[in-house]
Amino acid sequence: GAVVSQHPSWVICKSGTSVKIECRSLDFQATTMFWYRQFPKQSLMLMATSNEGSKATYEQGVEKDKFLINHASLTLSTLTVTSAHPEDSSFYICSARGFVTGKSSGIHNEQFFGPGTRLTVL
Amino acid sequence: GENVEQHPSTLSVQEGDSAVIKCTYSDSASNYFPWYKQELGKRPQLIIDIRSNVGEKKDQRIAVTLNKTAKHFSLHITETQPEDSAVYFCAASIHNQGGKLIFGQGTELSVKP
Repeated sequence: GAVVSQHPSWVICKSGTSVKIECRSLDFQATTMFWYRQFPKQSLMLMATSNEGSKATYEQGVEKDKFLINHASLTLSTLTVTSAHPEDSSFYICSARGFVTGKSSGIHNEQFFGPGTRLTVL
Repeated sequence: GENVEQHPSTLSVQEGDSAVIKCTYSDSASNYFPWYKQELGKRPQLIIDIRSNVGEKKDQRIAVTLNKTAKHFSLHITETQPEDSAVYFCAASIHNQGGKLIFGQGTELSVKP
């Protein structure tokens, strides 16, 4: 249980185009989803926190108009990188937090990570 | 906001030796401290975690200690094996602030056969 998928696993796009990345919790309801960005040989940097049905909370320095986040259901969140530029090339990873079937106490803190999406902007 | 510092950035040990990675955090309200192992191009994998009401936790060759007063926590890997080679990240979060994770900078562990 507690499987999170991401689609696509990699994408190459031209500068100026927009790219949408999907994050799905496959076997549990994710009350909260998180989006991270990871540059080569660096740590995971939290970009934003999204709760189902409400606006995302962005970390300081992250442009909310450039990185659009939608969390329309308890199993799906999307990140859209608008007008992508080469400096947006990175590894984008989502994680989901929620109640996992079979665990009576719920998973209050543990986050389950997606496999990541490698974005390359030419 | 929370800040997590992790040391060392690289660590090389001989197979069978122990490895220790240390992290400090700044926000005393943090109450959950997971450790992740990440292989190149893959997702982070949770290897062990500890909550603020516990001082130490062990799972086979892996142990984590937490000193709330000093605001630091450490990962201990004993009897290291080549397959332990990876990048390890510590993190801290505050449950009642949404549970967002703030990660340390990472430690690249290399276990030489």
